[in-house]
Amino acid sequence: DTGVSQDPRHKITKRGQNVTFRCDPISEHNRLYWYRQTLGQGPEFLTYFQNEAQLEKSRLLSDRFSAERPKGSFSTLEIQRTEQGDSAMYLCASSLATTNPSGMYEQFFGPGTRLTVL
Amino acid sequence: QQPVQSPQAVILREGEDAVINCSSSKALYSVHWYRQKHGEAPVFLMILLKGGEQKGHDKISASFNEKKQQSSLYLTASQLSYSGTYFCGTVPLEGQNFVFGPGTRLSVLP
Repeated sequence: DTGVSQDPRHKITKRGQNVTFRCDPISEHNRLYWYRQTLGQGPEFLTYFQNEAQLEKSRLLSDRFSAERPKGSFSTLEIQRTEQGDSAMYLCASSLATTNPSGMYEQFFGPGTRLTVL
Repeated sequence: QQPVQSPQAVILREGEDAVINCSSSKALYSVHWYRQKHGEAPVFLMILLKGGEQKGHDKISASFNEKKQQSSLYLTASQLSYSGTYFCGTVPLEGQNFVFGPGTRLSVLP
């Protein structure tokens, strides 16, 4: 297995356009996370899935953001009507799930998709 | 809700030691540590689950004081490869909202 992959690696778009990013997790991992990271900041949690179920979504996340994981494998993150403030690195991570709801195993991060909104 | 990290940045010479602290206002279930090198994705270092627990990985170790809701990362005899930004991430006892701290930038000079 080659780890977590993300596509595209870079995306430049104009304000108002829609963009979609894809993440392929490590195959046996049933948890998948999306984060956003801007320069000099820590990754900001956006949402996460366990299998195909979206279990949590950041309350700070705009309605313009939506994520899916239709078959519990790869995931897509869509941003509608992009704004310049959406420019950031979008990171995907995957991990195994724990039986304890508070538990989290180590997350394996993908290389990220760098979004630039002009 | 975001944990606080200190210091914000530290510069070391090779072979020197460093301590990075992480504290939360919430009661914690676990603390996670990651390192991110410039232009790369974060890489997992360790998870601390129990109060007072200490774990080690090579010359990097960490402690977790559950009562104080604090964790510290200890880097001993630092190497050039230790340079990067260190993030703690916390899982609260109630809820499952994993949050990364703002990071501590560590620079190790020859």
